[in-house]
Amino acid sequence: GAVVSQHPSWVICKSGTSVKIECRSLDFQATTMFWYRQFPKQSLMLMATSNEGSKATYEQGVEKDKFLINHASLTLSTLTVTSAHPEDSSFYICSATGTSGKLYNEQFFGPGTRLTVL
Amino acid sequence: GNSVTQMEGPVTLSEEAFLTINCTYTATGYPSLFWYVQYPGEGLQLLLKATKADDKGSNKGFEATYRKETTSFHLEKGSVQVSDSAVYFCALINNWNSGNTPLVFGKGTRLSVIA
Repeated sequence: GAVVSQHPSWVICKSGTSVKIECRSLDFQATTMFWYRQFPKQSLMLMATSNEGSKATYEQGVEKDKFLINHASLTLSTLTVTSAHPEDSSFYICSATGTSGKLYNEQFFGPGTRLTVL
Repeated sequence: GNSVTQMEGPVTLSEEAFLTINCTYTATGYPSLFWYVQYPGEGLQLLLKATKADDKGSNKGFEATYRKETTSFHLEKGSVQVSDSAVYFCALINNWNSGNTPLVFGKGTRLSVIA
């Protein structure tokens, strides 16, 4: 149990286009989802915290108009990279926590999405 | 603030060698501590965790003990295998009872095990 999926697993796009990344909790309801960004050979940087039905909370330095996050249901959060540029190329990882018990006290990670902007 | 410092890699070991990856933390309050592993091309997987002082987390031959007096959570394994080659992240959550608290990660340590 507690499986998180991401789609797509990798995407290549042209500069100036927008890309949507989905994060789904497959077998539990996720009240909170987190979006991280990982640069090559570096740690995970928290981008934003997303709670179902409310606006995402962005970390300092993360452009909310650039990285649109929507958490419309208890099983789905989306990250849209708008007007992508090569510097947005990165590995994006989501994680989710559930509503109670073990699911509430642990984060479950998706496999990540590798974005390459040409 | 909350932070995690772990030894910089890469670490290269021969198969069956002993592994230690150091991790120390700074936190207000009483954090829970985690080790995550990231295999090549994959996302993060929880390796082990400890939620209070003196707890020992263990999994797949890996162990780490929550040492409050030294604010440390060092990862150890007695005999590494080639399949242990991965990046290991030490992390903390400073509010165990809050499901919407993000993890604070160390920078990761890349381990390469050679046959």
